[in-house]
Amino acid sequence: GEDVEQSLFLSVREGDSSVINCTYTDSSSTYLYWYKQEPGAGLQLLTYIFSNMDMKQDQRLTVLLNKKDKHLSLRIADTQTGDSAIYFCAEVFSSNTGKLIFGQGTTLQVKP
Amino acid sequence: DAGITQSPRHKVTETGTPVTLRCHQTENHRYMYWYRQDPGHGLRLIHYSYGVKDTDKGEVSDGYSVSRSKTEDFLLTLESATSSQTSVYFCAISDPGGDQETQYFGPGTRLLVL
Repeated sequence: GEDVEQSLFLSVREGDSSVINCTYTDSSSTYLYWYKQEPGAGLQLLTYIFSNMDMKQDQRLTVLLNKKDKHLSLRIADTQTGDSAIYFCAEVFSSNTGKLIFGQGTTLQVKP
Repeated sequence: DAGITQSPRHKVTETGTPVTLRCHQTENHRYMYWYRQDPGHGLRLIHYSYGVKDTDKGEVSDGYSVSRSKTEDFLLTLESATSSQTSVYFCAISDPGGDQETQYFGPGTRLLVL
């Protein structure tokens, strides 16, 4: 069945780049998403990429999509302590219903 | 931020009692979703609605029911709460069929079943 996998934890130093990886199974997904969750809060949309794109850049964020390997990554340049959060990738399970399948989330710890 | 509120934000209840969580939106989005979030599982879909009185099950629907009598409100009911339903519950909204299918999330409800 459909599944989205992420590593659970990443620790980086402030100012370094962070790369969070995700693998998915449904090659027909139209959109893939990255959400950010800060402690005690809901999920906030960070960015998304359409399946016919290889890369999308938005300020400090770069999303890379490798459809052949079904691999999605989120790079955060110049990581700040405010970037500490849980990051979820998600793929569209059903475009008619908008149903998403989420990964388990990657906890990003940024050390000063 | 999308106009989504959830109530209550925190609730403690006892095993066997019914519990209703409310999600309210001001965006007039057609689709609404209920998820639960548990450590190691990410978010799992409980039920969703694609219009007033139109609902369908998600992957973890056992023990839950939903109702949507108005576009803006989507209720999640735990018919007889169990300790395994202790979780954080999130509501989300979307309008699939546009140029992208983003879901926007509410702030969550923390439920503890004793």
